Amino acid sequence: SQQGEEDPQALSIQEGENATMNCSYKTSINNLQWYRQNSGRGLVHLILIRSNEREKHSGRLRVTLDTSKKSSSLLITASRAADTASYFCATETSTSGTYKYIFGTGTRLKVLA
Amino acid sequence: DTEVTQTPKHLVMGMTNKKSLKCEQHMGHRAMYWYKQKAKKPPELMFVYSYEKLSINESVPSRFSPECPNSSLLNLHLHALQPEDSALYLCASSQDEWRGYNEQFFGPGTRLTVL
Repeated sequence: SQQGEEDPQALSIQEGENATMNCSYKTSINNLQWYRQNSGRGLVHLILIRSNEREKHSGRLRVTLDTSKKSSSLLITASRAADTASYFCATETSTSGTYKYIFGTGTRLKVLA
Repeated sequence: DTEVTQTPKHLVMGMTNKKSLKCEQHMGHRAMYWYKQKAKKPPELMFVYSYEKLSINESVPSRFSPECPNSSLLNLHLHALQPEDSALYLCASSQDEWRGYNEQFFGPGTRLTVL
């Protein structure tokens, strides 16, 4: 199975509601990053959280990291139609000096106006 | 300038053609990356260049040939591709390679179709 698996795979909510998506991973990480991708476009970096951090905020975004459970969550508060996109987590790991950067399976978020 | 540009936006090529994808950044970043993304799938890392040297090749077939002419440019040369190589090809750059602190800036991608 993959290093980063996200759930749910798809999420549909009403504008103004909060959206929560989760990322689970299998091996120890250096950091975890969240990205947004609008349909068929490039990715936009949202937040980086390091392995020694537990929570980070950026505007309407809140990311938590639980290294004991090997999981992270992304919360988008007061969602807007413009938040409709796919959201990916990406984990950076290093083993014997070899770095790996692997994207999770992604969550497709649809915010209905 | 905080942008990564990629050309062309779309590319259709036959299996016998030779073509190149181009990526450019002027942020002074020293690491550049190529990713391949199939529809509704996450990006998969193909190559990493660090200080203009190939740092990582994720066992990519030789029909994909990367080149880094200088610190701002990254090319991906394509030759004898297969239809299953059709995908969105994304370029990214970061201040340095990995090291746990570097966010990657992505270009808009090149949508490649192999007939």
